[in-house]
Amino acid sequence: AQKVTQAQTEISVVEKEDVTLDCVYETRDTTYYLFWYKQPPSGELVFLIRRNSFDEQNEISGRYSWNFQKSTSSFNFTITASQVVDSAVYFCALSGRVYGGATNKLIFGTGTLLAVQP
Amino acid sequence: DGGITQSPKYLFRKEGQNVTLSCEQNLNHDAMYWYRQDPGQGLRLIYYSQIVNDFQKGDIAEGYSVSREKKESFPLTVTSAQKNPTAFYLCASKSTVNTEAFFGQGTRLTVV
Repeated sequence: AQKVTQAQTEISVVEKEDVTLDCVYETRDTTYYLFWYKQPPSGELVFLIRRNSFDEQNEISGRYSWNFQKSTSSFNFTITASQVVDSAVYFCALSGRVYGGATNKLIFGTGTLLAVQP
Repeated sequence: DGGITQSPKYLFRKEGQNVTLSCEQNLNHDAMYWYRQDPGQGLRLIYYSQIVNDFQKGDIAEGYSVSREKKESFPLTVTSAQKNPTAFYLCASKSTVNTEAFFGQGTRLTVV
């Protein structure tokens, strides 16, 4: 079975603080893909990053960085020098490929509400 | 413009009525999804479809039905059997297992 856990329900920080959003996943798929999405108050989900299971290189994009560790089944997201515009709900998601075939099932964690105070 | 369109944005339904939410995409994606979002519960998968004329139940399919007669369209019917249908519904599509999903703007359904 596949599962994504985001244990942090809500996080509140003051502007310019660094913040890390945790994501832990479970899967028996041989190959799988991890994603992060941002949901601003408007409701539409915005794609942030994709990572496949055989590429454990960390990635940095401006103030955003992602730490993928297969050994601990984690895919954490860090925002450096947070800004008020970063306030949103952030979702981690998992998509997998089962043995001998392919599946496009895409499941999400429960999300983390990030509030950045000025 | 390419994208995924959900309609209507707001929908009110009387108890005991079925209602259908529309989802259309012009991205030529094979896979389409329906999610339900409730406060504190994240996105829960209702149904998904990997190809035309085929679909699978997600984690909370009871009280819902779907069809996939065309690649572009994946309508969701909320039936009277769904005990608590008031929620925000999101439709998504993606091309393959390793690509990101694109989301519509959502439909907020309220039972009155």
